[in-house]
Amino acid sequence: QKEVEQDPGPLSVPEGAIVSLNCTYSNSAFQYFMWYRQYSRKGPELLMYTYSSGNKEDGRFTAQVDKSSKYISLFIRDSQPSDSATYLCAMSGNTGFQKLVFGTGTRLLVSP
Amino acid sequence: EPEVTQTPSHQVTQMGQEVILRCVPISNHLYFYWYRQILGQKVEFLVSFYNNEISEKSEIFDDQFSVERPDGSNFTLKIRSTKLEDSAMYFCASSESDFNYGYTFGSGTRLTVV
Repeated sequence: QKEVEQDPGPLSVPEGAIVSLNCTYSNSAFQYFMWYRQYSRKGPELLMYTYSSGNKEDGRFTAQVDKSSKYISLFIRDSQPSDSATYLCAMSGNTGFQKLVFGTGTRLLVSP
Repeated sequence: EPEVTQTPSHQVTQMGQEVILRCVPISNHLYFYWYRQILGQKVEFLVSFYNNEISEKSEIFDDQFSVERPDGSNFTLKIRSTKLEDSAMYFCASSESDFNYGYTFGSGTRLTVV
């Protein structure tokens, strides 16, 4: 079983749709959960950061963590064509400066 | 907004040659990292660096790789004898604290080994 699994997509939605992106993981030691956005041939850009379980909202973005199910989600409301990118989930353990383990990324296409 | 700067953006090198990839982390950050992403694959951890020494390294980071912080601003990744399979995007990242609030990544160096 892969440590972090993410559907590669592509996920195509019309402008204004609600987008749901998900990752599952197997390592129960993960405590920090992040979502990054990556445009083609660019570095990952941090969107959301969550520690342990719960929800976090920032503008049009909501991150959810369900540690009991080992499942994390990112919701994008009112999606825009500029949201078209690859979304990477990443996670790490509980001690300092541990390595991030990334999912493969989901490619999102938002059409006008 | 502060950013992590990487140079060059693209480097082509012949197999067996040494390459040095350069990074300038955010100035008040203390923790530094290198990741790589082979085309079409996931971003993979290579090494973390703190207080002038390696904190953790992956199995990818073998004896052909080394990192250095030669002065107060630069952070470098050296590959001693490049192989075709080293072709990838190499990302430098830095973070302010060890509580993993999420790194800031640079835009990457695309390394092509021919």
